[in-house]
Amino acid sequence: AQTVTQSQPEMSVQEAETVTLSCTYDTSENNYYLFWYKQPPSRQMILVIRQEAYKQQNATENRFSVNFQKAAKSFSLKISDSQLGDTAMYFCAFPSYNQGGKLIFGQGTELSVKP
Amino acid sequence: SAVISQKPSRDICQRGTSLTIQCQVDSQVTMMFWYRQQPGQSLTLIATANQGSEATYESGFVIDKFPISRPNLTFSTLTVSNMSPEDSSIYLCSVGGQGASGYTFGSGTRLTVV
Repeated sequence: AQTVTQSQPEMSVQEAETVTLSCTYDTSENNYYLFWYKQPPSRQMILVIRQEAYKQQNATENRFSVNFQKAAKSFSLKISDSQLGDTAMYFCAFPSYNQGGKLIFGQGTELSVKP
Repeated sequence: SAVISQKPSRDICQRGTSLTIQCQVDSQVTMMFWYRQQPGQSLTLIATANQGSEATYESGFVIDKFPISRPNLTFSTLTVSNMSPEDSSIYLCSVGGQGASGYTFGSGTRLTVV
């Protein structure tokens, strides 16, 4: 079965500090993408960062970076210099092309950035 | 990436009634996805909507309860029928699946059934 697991239901971090959100997944597909989405209280789903599984280099997007370990099927998100606006629910996800392209989501991690 | 306009943004409905949610995309897309997000939970796929064919429903979701329309490549509707308080959730539409472009989501519909 294709699954995504986020083992941290809630996390908090002080403003300007660094926090890492963990994600593990399981898939039998060889070529795939991995995504981190942010959902603030406005409920809009916002793509934070994406990683192509065939690329060894970890993706970075400004203050956001990932640690992608393909063999371990691990895909963690690091947020540097945390800002109050980073407070949101974060979801790890990947598309299952064997199942029509639907996104498989983790349970989510609720991140609170404290001033 | 595509831009999606989803309406309504929120509604409060009486039990036993139905609500239709609309998603309009600014470009033609092959597949559209409808998700439900119950309070404090992750997103659960309701169905995948392809233009010109019946939607494909996930386990636990049936067409009689969640009929979907997909009349063209830029528009889709999801109806929540015969609502009960358990249907109170956020409903989101999404398009994507074209590799690195990721998936785009509508702004969501917050439904409260009283």
